[in-house]
Amino acid sequence: AQSVSQHNHHVILSEAASLELGCNYSYGGTVNLFWYVQYPGQHLQLLLKYFSGDPLVKGIKGFEAEFIKSKFSFNLRKPSVQWSDTAEYFCAVNEGDTGTASKLTFGTGTRLQVTL
Amino acid sequence: NAGVTQTPKFQVLKTGQSMTLQCAQDMNHNSMYWYRQDPGMGLRLIYYSASEGTTDKGEVPNGYNVSRLNKREFSLRLESAAPSQTSVYFCASSEWQGETQYFGPGTRLLVL
Repeated sequence: AQSVSQHNHHVILSEAASLELGCNYSYGGTVNLFWYVQYPGQHLQLLLKYFSGDPLVKGIKGFEAEFIKSKFSFNLRKPSVQWSDTAEYFCAVNEGDTGTASKLTFGTGTRLQVTL
Repeated sequence: NAGVTQTPKFQVLKTGQSMTLQCAQDMNHNSMYWYRQDPGMGLRLIYYSASEGTTDKGEVPNGYNVSRLNKREFSLRLESAAPSQTSVYFCASSEWQGETQYFGPGTRLLVL
């Protein structure tokens, strides 16, 4: 079965620091990759996604992620975090092509705390 | 466009009681999902409906049942609630399986 690993469970950064959150998955075939964000008290929102094409994808609020197939990784980055980025971040993976793809598997999440 | 809506927002149950969580989407999506979110465990899929008229078990289906009432609505039922079902429940929908999922605001359930 597909598994998704997020190695950083809790990250504390000062404003303006750079961010990189790790995400690794186990499936070797075609995958669709997602990062979702959950701000305190809110529901999950899509941050960015990768289906195909350029492995460097850009999302909302200055976030980007790079798909490295050889490393089964899809790490999330932001050059300079803001206090408003305080949230929980979830990596998620679908196996296979859209329309027939498997269920979405989520990582356990990374709680990011940005201090002023 | 309300997106995905869920009712109720918060519920307290006693062990053994039953309840139904309601979910509706207005995006004309074909696929709908129910997840539970527990601290340190991320989101785990309970049941999903790839298209109207079909439902399938996810990772943690025990103790739950679902109904895909029509294309818009997908309900989750707890027949006999247990304290282990204390959680936050999220409904989501997507145009098709594998596509981006859009989430509702969640239902916080406490089983005493």
